[in-house]
Order: sequence, then C-alpha cells, then structure tokens
Amino acid sequence: EADIYQTPRYLVIGTGKKITLECSQTMGHDKMYWYQQDPGMELHLIHYSYGVNSTEKGDLSSESTVSRIRTEHFPLTLESARPSHTSQYLCASSDPYTDTQYFGPGTRLTVL
Amino acid sequence: DAKTTQPTSMDCAEGRAANLPCNHSTISGNEYVYWYRQIHSQGPQYIIHGLKNNETNEMASLIITEDRKSSTLILPHATLRDTAVYYCIVRDGGSNYKLTFGKGTLLTVNP
Repeated sequence: EADIYQTPRYLVIGTGKKITLECSQTMGHDKMYWYQQDPGMELHLIHYSYGVNSTEKGDLSSESTVSRIRTEHFPLTLESARPSHTSQYLCASSDPYTDTQYFGPGTRLTVL
Repeated sequence: DAKTTQPTSMDCAEGRAANLPCNHSTISGNEYVYWYRQIHSQGPQYIIHGLKNNETNEMASLIITEDRKSSTLILPHATLRDTAVYYCIVRDGGSNYKLTFGKGTLLTVNP
C-alpha cells in the first residue's frame, strides 16, 4: 500500500492569501492526482500528472495550479485564495501495475 | 468510461454480510470494475477490482455477473467501522486511468 502524505491537514486563511498544499508519496508512483470535494458531495478530479514535468487539467475547472518537479512531490497552489475555494483537497497516486489509486488524508481548506 | 448506478443508501446489521449492488449496463470489454470506500470525509480507500472473474481479498469479495452488466461487493462480516460511502467505478484498463467518482452508496452498519 502506498504511503501518501498531505500537509497541512487543516488550513484557515484569509481572502487574497497565496497558499500551497503539499502532497508527497514514497512509493515512486509516476501518476498523481488532485481531487476536490465539498462536504457531502462527490469527488471531482482537478489536476493530474503522468510524471515529472507533466501536468494536466482534470474534469472540474479549478483556479489552482500544480507542479511536478520531483516524482514524489505534487504541490497545489492557489495564488489568491477566495471563500469559493473552501473545500477538501485530496491527493492520490496510482500503482503502475494495477492502476489502483491510493489517497492521502486530505487538506480541509477554509477561506474567510 | 461506462456509467454506474448504485442505491443511495443501505443498512446492515453488525456481523452480517453486506451486499452492495452496482449496475454498469454499458460496460465495455476492456473496462474494469473498481470499488473504493470513503469513511467520513477521509481519503477514499481502495477495496478491490476485477474484470470478469470473481475476486476476493482480505477486505471483500467482488462478484461480477457473466454478462458483466452488474456486480456486487460483499463484506462478509460487517463491523461498525465499515460504515462509509462505497463507490463503484468502471474505467478503461488502457491509457485512460482517471477515476470518475459518482455519489456512491452510504452503508450504515447498525449494532
């Protein structure tokens, strides 16, 4: 099973601040993902990456950006946070042999 | 990817088997059936997946009908900690590896 970590777990921040949500995995997985989930609602894919220097937009449009400079690290950045960005953000990576995805614990973001 | 249909919610008594159905009538030959669950806003957890044969692991069994248009996830002895939203996902086994989560089934295990 993959070890995948997200920090911070909870973040409360004011409007207009720049924030970066961290995601790291120790299994050497090439494929990584970011999902967004509002309380009680479905998960939506917002970004994914095939590997280093690869990033793609997901199914749900997002004002966030991502980067993939190292295999193990896939941070998500919001340049100017707004209350509409309040949500839970979940990071995942997938096993190259089975394509099963392993999720981190999530970051619960609140923008005031 | 093929669309799936699941009941919105189900109840199960603790210690009994929980059988969660999923319909995927438009599934194509190279699409796998995956099951994940999400316990109260934690990150989703992979349970099991299969193509056409029945599968079993330490968590659950997956029964796929012969025509592959439906499947059932079986938790043989449900515990209170199995209360979660269960997602049935069908996806291409090829280059399209994105997962599309629907609303899932909220399974409540009662004491």
